[in-house]
Amino acid sequence: DAKTTQPPSMDCAEGRAANLPCNHSTISGNEYVYWYRQIHSQGPQYIIHGLKNNETNEMASLIITEDRKSSTLILPHATLRDTAVYYCIVRPSGSQGNLIFGKGTKLSVKP
Amino acid sequence: GAVVSQHPSWVICKSGTSVKIECRSLDFQATTMFWYRQFPKQSLMLMATSNEGSKATYEQGVEKDKFLINHASLTLSTLTVTSAHPEDSSFYICSARKARQGDGETQYFGPGTRLLVL
Repeated sequence: DAKTTQPPSMDCAEGRAANLPCNHSTISGNEYVYWYRQIHSQGPQYIIHGLKNNETNEMASLIITEDRKSSTLILPHATLRDTAVYYCIVRPSGSQGNLIFGKGTKLSVKP
Repeated sequence: GAVVSQHPSWVICKSGTSVKIECRSLDFQATTMFWYRQFPKQSLMLMATSNEGSKATYEQGVEKDKFLINHASLTLSTLTVTSAHPEDSSFYICSARKARQGDGETQYFGPGTRLLVL
């Protein structure tokens, strides 16, 4: 079973920041938080991952709370092409564990 | 970097035939590859995990004799759906794990293969 909880859907206006929350209250100390997204009829696309510290790359920022029980993915300037299902997944580092997908959040970016 | 390809992107076959799907990591070596299946309006379901040179590990409920997985090299894994039936029609997606020491091990996904069994 997925170890994360995400809202089933969210809307965002084009050009605004999209903030996608994720709860992972049972996360273990060696588990990373991964974010992927899946645009319709395509394979999932890796976005970002982190362990404790906030992370930023060219696609997004990941904010992890100090107790690591929740995180937020931030798309700073959402575009129509960011419309997708976003998955938050926790997984141990190393060879343990696999990516188990929950239902994710359907983000709709509207003009 | 970190590109995973799949071939074919879609296939239509008759019931009872076998279908082979290839998954390649194009610019990195992947000691571990994964196969997922996704039915319409559902999330991805992990079918099996394969390590190069060893037998695949199948998830509960996945028939290993029906879904044959071969991971012969660090850049290629194949999934063969044997004696396919209409209920096997689905979107099959492979993934390859890229090792980055000390920073988790990121998985990258292929574009998927849509299988339709008539």
